Amino acid sequence: EAQVTQNPRYLITVTGKKLTVTCSQNMNHEYMSWYRQDPGLGLRQIYYSMNVEVTDKGDVPEGYKVSRKEKRNFPLILESPSPNQTSLYFCASSSTTGMSNQPQHFGDGTRLSIL
Amino acid sequence: KQEVTQIPAALSVPEGENLVLNCSFTDSAIYNLQWFRQDPGKGLTSLLLIQSSQREQTSGRLNASLDKSSGRSTLYIAASQPGDSATYLCAVSSSNTGKLIFGQGTTLQVKP
Repeated sequence: EAQVTQNPRYLITVTGKKLTVTCSQNMNHEYMSWYRQDPGLGLRQIYYSMNVEVTDKGDVPEGYKVSRKEKRNFPLILESPSPNQTSLYFCASSSTTGMSNQPQHFGDGTRLSIL
Repeated sequence: KQEVTQIPAALSVPEGENLVLNCSFTDSAIYNLQWFRQDPGKGLTSLLLIQSSQREQTSGRLNASLDKSSGRSTLYIAASQPGDSATYLCAVSSSNTGKLIFGQGTTLQVKP
């Protein structure tokens, strides 16, 4: 089954404790990205990657890092989490071939609470 | 700067009704528009994607239309069912970065 898998689904942690949210897709997609969803602000892009070893900032990259060492994985790293990073996070992927006609597939989300 | 607006924010209808959800965007230079469904505690499920050159797409009881020149899209749901209750999001892709700009969503409740 084609899917985007995020882990963990839920995490409560404390300020300053480094954490990584993993994202893996099994569709051989070149494109992957991360979004955060906040009440009143909607979904906003954090980072994206067009292919292996190619990453770039989205609209709200501050406080986050990403890496793309393999095609299927795109982890989101919070080096020193702060309470304003409490949010619902989504990973997405799509094929870049004929990108205008390719839907983006989203994971089930990771709810992070930073105390 | 592209902005996406969805009206209404919430909608409650009795089962069996046909309904229309609206999405508008400010910049008509888009690659595509995608409609998603979001259930509580779940991720986003892609429902329909309309390319900029298309006028509409259909999947089962769902029909999405696109009028690029006026910056509008509608999602038509026929014969609504309680299982259709969810938040519906529209998103446009208007850059070659693949970034999606989302609306705030319409929360739909279909009452039995």
